[in-house]
Amino acid sequence: AQTVTQSQPEMSVQEAETVTLSCTYDTSESDYYLFWYKQPPSRQMILVIRQEAYKQQNATENRFSVNFQKAAKSFSLKISDSQLGDAAMYFCAYMTAGNMLTFGGGTRLMVKP
Amino acid sequence: NAGVMQNPRHLVRRRGQEARLRCSPMKGHSHVYWYRQLPEEGLKFMVYLQKENIIDESGMPKERFSAEFPKEGPSILRIQQVVRGDSAAYFCASSPVVGTGGSPLHFGNGTRLTVT
Repeated sequence: AQTVTQSQPEMSVQEAETVTLSCTYDTSESDYYLFWYKQPPSRQMILVIRQEAYKQQNATENRFSVNFQKAAKSFSLKISDSQLGDAAMYFCAYMTAGNMLTFGGGTRLMVKP
Repeated sequence: NAGVMQNPRHLVRRRGQEARLRCSPMKGHSHVYWYRQLPEEGLKFMVYLQKENIIDESGMPKERFSAEFPKEGPSILRIQQVVRGDSAAYFCASSPVVGTGGSPLHFGNGTRLTVT
């Protein structure tokens, strides 16, 4: 069974600074997908970024980028120029056949003005 | 284009009552997934359905919980004889045809169930 681990329960960043959220996963599959989702207090699950395991190039979406290390099974999220609206729970997730997601336990990100 | 619609947004039930949670997937999506989120935890997979079929229910508790996705109408997650431990946020997600893989799931806003 796949597992996803987020070792940082909480992180804090100053507005306009950069922060990196960690995620590791365990799998025996070679073909899979990785995601970061954001969950603000409204409870909505918002897709932040997606990475295909067969692609070596790290995904980027505006201020959000990932550092995907397949051999190390690591998938960290970097948020640049942090904004107050980035404050939320962030969940790392793994997807394989059937489009089913396995989530990590989450990291609460606080942004200080 | 409406997203995944879940209702009710909040549901309060007394111990022993039944809870029915509804989910209408995005237009054109025929695959529905239910997840449960306990306070301060990540989402845990419960069940995966297509129209009139349960594909994977490996995350569903063996008793009191059932799910369906009929040919017409929304998907229903049903919890019989609720207990306090069932209090959680229940999320529904949908996706289009599965096969190419990696299609992001689109989530509803969840139903928060409180058992008193």
